[in-house]
Amino acid sequence: QVQLVQSGPEVKKPGASVKVSCKASGYTFTSYGISWVRQAPGQGLEWMGWISAYSGDTNYSQKFQGRVTMTTDTSTSTAYMELRSLRSADTAVYYCARIRWEVGATRLDYWGQGTLVTVSS
Amino acid sequence: EIVMTQSPATLSVSPGERATLSCRASQSVSSNLAWYQQRPGQAPRLLIYGASTRATGIPARFSGSGSGTEFTLTISSLQSEDFAVYYCQQYDNWQAFTFGPGTKVDIK
Repeated sequence: QVQLVQSGPEVKKPGASVKVSCKASGYTFTSYGISWVRQAPGQGLEWMGWISAYSGDTNYSQKFQGRVTMTTDTSTSTAYMELRSLRSADTAVYYCARIRWEVGATRLDYWGQGTLVTVSS
Repeated sequence: EIVMTQSPATLSVSPGERATLSCRASQSVSSNLAWYQQRPGQAPRLLIYGASTRATGIPARFSGSGSGTEFTLTISSLQSEDFAVYYCQQYDNWQAFTFGPGTKVDIK
């Protein structure tokens, strides 16, 4: 069965960086993409960007351009999301999700369990 | 950038009743519209994709309709496990995803 297992909670100081991992299993990793979505406490879902596990191509939301880097390690079927220059507003649960690309029906069909990142001095 | 809106923000429904949730896109997204359910403390779960196709394992009481800019998610007879927040999401020609702000379905 498809599973995305994320790394554990993180506590960071303002200005620091965080790197969250997402290990995939149960499918051919390079046949899909991985998207990252975050959710601040009590708020809705916010798309951050995606990476193709096949080509390494990325597409970042303008909001995070210059501050986020998404990578994959195909040897371990793991995706990573690094966010730099953290501020308190980055406190959120960060989710990875598998992208199923299909013309007219692209969707995020499997999700990780989420990783809480807390930014506090 | 395509902006998604959802209405109402909160919907109070009695168990067994029908719930109708709306999602609107600021410009046409054709049928590239998905719906997700999020229960408290859980990750989102895909319900509907391509505006009207149920995802694997999703009960038939969930249905989606619409195209272009106007979409609807209908839950025909609410069960206790359906009280949650529902998000719509589009995928556009610039290969970006956008979520709506969500509709919370709670018990009347």
